Amino acid sequence: AQSVAQPEDQVNVAEGNPLTVKCTYSVSGNPYLFWYVQYPNRGLQFLLKYITGDNLVKGSYGFEAEFNKSQTSFHLKKPSALVSDSALYFCAVSPGPAGSYQLTFGKGTKLSVIP
Amino acid sequence: GAVVSQHPSWVICKSGTSVKIECRSLDFQATTMFWYRQFPKQSLMLMATSNEGSKATYEQGVEKDKFLINHASLTLSTLTVTSAHPEDSSFYICSVSGPNTGELFFGEGSRLTVL
Repeated sequence: AQSVAQPEDQVNVAEGNPLTVKCTYSVSGNPYLFWYVQYPNRGLQFLLKYITGDNLVKGSYGFEAEFNKSQTSFHLKKPSALVSDSALYFCAVSPGPAGSYQLTFGKGTKLSVIP
Repeated sequence: GAVVSQHPSWVICKSGTSVKIECRSLDFQATTMFWYRQFPKQSLMLMATSNEGSKATYEQGVEKDKFLINHASLTLSTLTVTSAHPEDSSFYICSVSGPNTGELFFGEGSRLTVL
């Protein structure tokens, strides 16, 4: 069975500093990896995905993520954090296209960017 | 990306009543939609996969007679919580698979509170 681990419940970072939200995964075969962001009482917004190709994936709002197959990781990064980045971030994995295969989410990491 | 609309955003009902939540794919036809449930400070749990023109596929542990799903058209799926009880209070989110590369796009969610 596939699984996602987000080891940090909360990440605090000062505005302007780089941020990293960690994610490791377990899945059979080649992973489809996703990051989503959720603001309070809102649905999830798609940030970026990795399917194949370049290990560094660039997404919305200046976020990027690096796929590391040997470490089975897909950490989310941003060079300079904004207060508006404060939200709940979910990493997700599926063994194929998310519409055809079940998407499994991590438990989420709350990011707080301190002014 | 796909635009997904959910209605209502918030609903409060008395115990024993039924509540219907609508999920609409606004800009493309979705043969498959997904219903998730999210408890406070927890991740998303897939409840069921809604298939247009056929019966929904429910995840293990989800009562199909309690959570009725209807996907009568390519743009609309409904989730009806029947005989709601306080433990059904939760945040319900629907999603559709993107038309191109298999990521999921989510509605804004519907918060149900059962008194």
